[in-house]
Amino acid sequence: QKEVEQDPGPLSVPEGAIVSLNCTYSNSAFQYFMWYRQYSRKGPELLMYTYSSGNKEDGRFTAQVDKSSKYISLFIRDSQPSDSATYLCAMSAVSQGGSEKLVFGKGTKLTVNP
Amino acid sequence: DSGVTQTPKHLITATGQRVTLRCSPRSGDLSVYWYQQSLDQGLQFLIQYYNGEERAKGNILERFSAQQFPDLHSELNLSSLELGDSALYFCASSISPSGETQYFGPGTRLTVL
Repeated sequence: QKEVEQDPGPLSVPEGAIVSLNCTYSNSAFQYFMWYRQYSRKGPELLMYTYSSGNKEDGRFTAQVDKSSKYISLFIRDSQPSDSATYLCAMSAVSQGGSEKLVFGKGTKLTVNP
Repeated sequence: DSGVTQTPKHLITATGQRVTLRCSPRSGDLSVYWYQQSLDQGLQFLIQYYNGEERAKGNILERFSAQQFPDLHSELNLSSLELGDSALYFCASSISPSGETQYFGPGTRLTVL
């Protein structure tokens, strides 16, 4: 089983739709959860960062973490064509020795149609 | 613009050759990370440096090496290149060593012919 699983899509929605993107993971030591957005031929851009379980909202974006189910989600409200990109989940654990590597999902390609 | 710069943007070379990719982190960031992104493997962590010292190692091949210089810029050296090394190589930086918030550069696209 891979450490992080993410449905690659592609996902195509009409403008204004609510989008739900999800990742599951197997490593219970993960404590930090991130969502990155990557436009074609560009570097990933940090969208949301959460620590442990719960919700975090930033404008049209809401990140949810359910550690008991090892499941994280990103919701995009009122989706726009400019949201068309690949969305990558990422997560990491922190040990006493210091940093742990960031583990990425393979990304979900989203297209928002005008 | 993340503030992380990478050069060159594109690199085309032949099998067996050696190349060097360069990264300058955001101002004030002490940690530099290198990643490889290919279609089938996704984004794979290679190596991390913090303030000049190697901090963490991921799936980095022995043919690859990296270093971080006193001015905090970093170089990734890829040698004895193979066709399978063709990929996007990203550098990211963060202010802390724990790396939960990383800012990525635009990447270097390497093509090995």
